[in-house]
Amino acid sequence: AQKITQTQPGMFVQEKEAVTLDCTYDTSDQSYGLFWYKQPSSGEMIFLIYQGSYDEQNATEGRYSLNFQKARKSANLVISASQLGDSAMYFCAMREAGGADGLTFGKGTHLIIQP
Amino acid sequence: NAGVTQTPKFQVLKTGQSMTLQCAQDMNHEYMSWYRQDPGMGLRLIHYSVGAGITDQGEVPNGYNVSRSTTEDFPLRLLSAAPSQTSVYFCASSYSFYSGTGSKANEKLFFGSGTQLSVL
Repeated sequence: AQKITQTQPGMFVQEKEAVTLDCTYDTSDQSYGLFWYKQPSSGEMIFLIYQGSYDEQNATEGRYSLNFQKARKSANLVISASQLGDSAMYFCAMREAGGADGLTFGKGTHLIIQP
Repeated sequence: NAGVTQTPKFQVLKTGQSMTLQCAQDMNHEYMSWYRQDPGMGLRLIHYSVGAGITDQGEVPNGYNVSRSTTEDFPLRLLSAAPSQTSVYFCASSYSFYSGTGSKANEKLFFGSGTQLSVL
């Protein structure tokens, strides 16, 4: 079973609209971390936001927020007031307490913001 | 203000050739790792290191070797390149190590700019 599932391979959104990118995860650990990274066409990986499994409040970073629903094992990224520069690949990732170290990434969502 | 530096940016190899992808960080991070990115697969962990002299395998370690003689450097070696190793490679480092004891460590990874490798 996949540990990180991103069900939206691609999305088209009108500029200035809010966007929700879906991410579900699978882990038996009680302690874990969830991340979102942005990869523009230039290729670099840009950290957006982090949510710890024990954090009671949803994480926010500027226009980005993480809708964390622990019981549903869901960690959706919300981008408010989308901009043309938000067009990129977006990856959800998880770090677990047990097992091999490092992040497990989803396959990504290709977001295109239309003017 | 260099962060994580990867070299080269692009490389073309013939099957069977060997090469080393270089990775250096100047943030005094203990944790360093290598990922490969293939179309439709996301990023997959190859090898990682939690400190100088310590390395371990990730999800897809076959065909790759690593060593960590200093905190700053974490080279990735391809001993005998194969077409299946055509990929984009990312080095990453972190300023904290996830202890697994329940601590809420912020494990933000800092990524290098990537190496596009083609094996013919």
